[in-house]
Amino acid sequence: KAGVTQTPRYLIKTRGQQVTLSCSPISGHRSVSWYQQTPGQGLQFLFEYFSETQRNKGNFPGRFSGRQFSNSRSEMNVSTLELGDSALYLCASSLETGYYEQYFGPGTRLTVT
Amino acid sequence: GNSVTQMEGPVTLSEEAFLTINCTYTATGYPSLFWYVQYPGEGLQLLLKATKADDKGSNKGFEATYRKETTSFHLEKGSVQVSDSAVYFCALSDRIRGSTLGRLYFGRGTQLTVWP
Repeated sequence: KAGVTQTPRYLIKTRGQQVTLSCSPISGHRSVSWYQQTPGQGLQFLFEYFSETQRNKGNFPGRFSGRQFSNSRSEMNVSTLELGDSALYLCASSLETGYYEQYFGPGTRLTVT
Repeated sequence: GNSVTQMEGPVTLSEEAFLTINCTYTATGYPSLFWYVQYPGEGLQLLLKATKADDKGSNKGFEATYRKETTSFHLEKGSVQVSDSAVYFCALSDRIRGSTLGRLYFGRGTQLTVWP
């Protein structure tokens, strides 16, 4: 069974631009969560989607948004990029919402210049 | 609130040495506890888990026991290998009134380097 896939793997953007990251969960998994990983703040929860609905949200500004499609694939968008948004963005999938085991993708490394 | 505290690294060991990485937690409900491992340039891999007090999670020679009385979930391995070099994260998923909140709370990670 294929794991969680994320595209693109690497991305370089300029301040003020926007970016969209994509995540395909493990087949049969219906919940997708997003995390931001930085050296300074560690791993921080962004949001979780299940059945195309945002179920849970972390403490991030409104520039960070996401969505989930009917096939459970998810995208996250960051608008008006700031230098501090440079991070590894990790997507995790889970069988159901609230199911405790989450499986992570390889991440998208975003660099904002 | 929910939080995880794990020992700061880096941890440097010789091959076949004994490993302990300490992890303590604070949770409002009844958490499940996890250890994840991250190899360079990769995402997180679930190493082991425990879902209730006194459970022992184990995988690939690593073990951790869920100790509710000390709110701890320390990771141990009897004999480390060079291939175990990675960053290890302790995490919890809280559960209140039987409902898991569906997010993970992570510690800051511990870098382990094993020399031959």
